[in-house]
Amino acid sequence: DAGVTQSPTHLIKTRGQQVTLRCSPKSGHDTVSWYQQALGQGPQFIFQYYEEEERQRGNFPDRFSGHQFPNYSSELNVNALLLGDSALYLCASSPPGLAVGTSYEQYFGPGTRLTVT
Amino acid sequence: DAKTTQPPSMDCAEGRAANLPCNHSTISGNEYVYWYRQIHSQGPQYIIHGLKNNETNEMASLIITEDRKSSTLILPHATLRDTAVYYCIVRAPYNFNKFYFGSGTKLNVKP
Repeated sequence: DAGVTQSPTHLIKTRGQQVTLRCSPKSGHDTVSWYQQALGQGPQFIFQYYEEEERQRGNFPDRFSGHQFPNYSSELNVNALLLGDSALYLCASSPPGLAVGTSYEQYFGPGTRLTVT
Repeated sequence: DAKTTQPPSMDCAEGRAANLPCNHSTISGNEYVYWYRQIHSQGPQYIIHGLKNNETNEMASLIITEDRKSSTLILPHATLRDTAVYYCIVRAPYNFNKFYFGSGTKLNVKP
């Protein structure tokens, strides 16, 4: 059973460009979350997708947008890249049947290392 | 959302127990405590979680104080492969698995 997969592994972009990162959730999972992890810091929550809609969002500007497809895979798009967007971007998936107050762990992918020059 | 406080780094001798503390004094009654670890440049890996009772699995044990204001992750026999950053996270209620990661504790297991 494949876990969470992300592509590409590494990416180099120039300031001002746009980038799209991709994530396939673990088999049987329907919820996808995206995190940004700057060097030496913990992951920061960007947003979460469920039933093809953005359900939760962290403190990130509108330059960060996403999409979830009917097969539950997801994309993270970042427009007008800044040098400060250089980071490891992590995707995490969660199983269905999620209910408030219950305790489901998230499964993380290996991440996409984005470098903005 | 409850915040957590962890020491920035700890050392442990290989084969000995590693005890990683976490303070979460503002935790709410329905919030769970999760532990994840992240080996260099990889995605975080789930270790264990609990609400109020102590928990044990094949990786670790989680001890939560009776007032739930702190917890300790115990790796019973640390190996070099356990060298990683360990994150203690309190799951925000009604936030559908949105996790707030702090800075974590860098555990250095030494031979």
